[in-house]
Amino acid sequence: SAVISQKPSRDICQRGTSLTIQCQVDSQVTMMFWYRQQPGQSLTLIATANQGSEATYESGFVIDKFPISRPNLTFSTLTVSNMSPEDSSIYLCSVLRSNEKLFFGSGTQLSVL
Amino acid sequence: DAKTTQPTSMDCAEGRAANLPCNHSTISGNEYVYWYRQIHSQGPQYIIHGLKNNETNEMASLIITEDRKSSTLILPHATLRDTAVYYCIVSRGLIYNQGGKLIFGQGTELSVKP
Repeated sequence: SAVISQKPSRDICQRGTSLTIQCQVDSQVTMMFWYRQQPGQSLTLIATANQGSEATYESGFVIDKFPISRPNLTFSTLTVSNMSPEDSSIYLCSVLRSNEKLFFGSGTQLSVL
Repeated sequence: DAKTTQPTSMDCAEGRAANLPCNHSTISGNEYVYWYRQIHSQGPQYIIHGLKNNETNEMASLIITEDRKSSTLILPHATLRDTAVYYCIVSRGLIYNQGGKLIFGQGTELSVKP
């Protein structure tokens, strides 16, 4: 298993502001991903966080809106920029451990007013 | 990655086997079948995955048809704590630097009832 710490666990933000979510893993991992889960919906992959290079974004997600950093093999951040109420979601960090298994953090519940 | 089709919801009696079907008729030869579940307010949890052969672990069994176009996740003795959304995902694998990823569909909401 993996111990994944996400901060903050929840936040309420004002429209137009930005929030940075941190994901810390207890050991080095090769692959890290960021997902979004809108209310009542399934998970949507935002991007793959690549260590030492730019993140790989999925269709519909852009770097200006969701900048991602991954400075080392245990840490990544996702910023939600210029927020609107439509960004209200749970944001989840996930990491790949041995044998094709993805482990997920407990998520950051974001509400935008 | 191939798409999957799952029933929206299912019920199961506590103590009975829960059989969750998944259709993936467009699966490619190098794509795996993964199952995850998400209990309310938690992050998804890995259950099991397989390529061709049936697989079993401490949580569940995965039965893949010979033509690989469908599969069934079996929870042998369902408990109330197994109530969750179950996701069947098909992917060519999570291989570093080869663009591997898991795309979640809508899943099956399983309700285990006393």
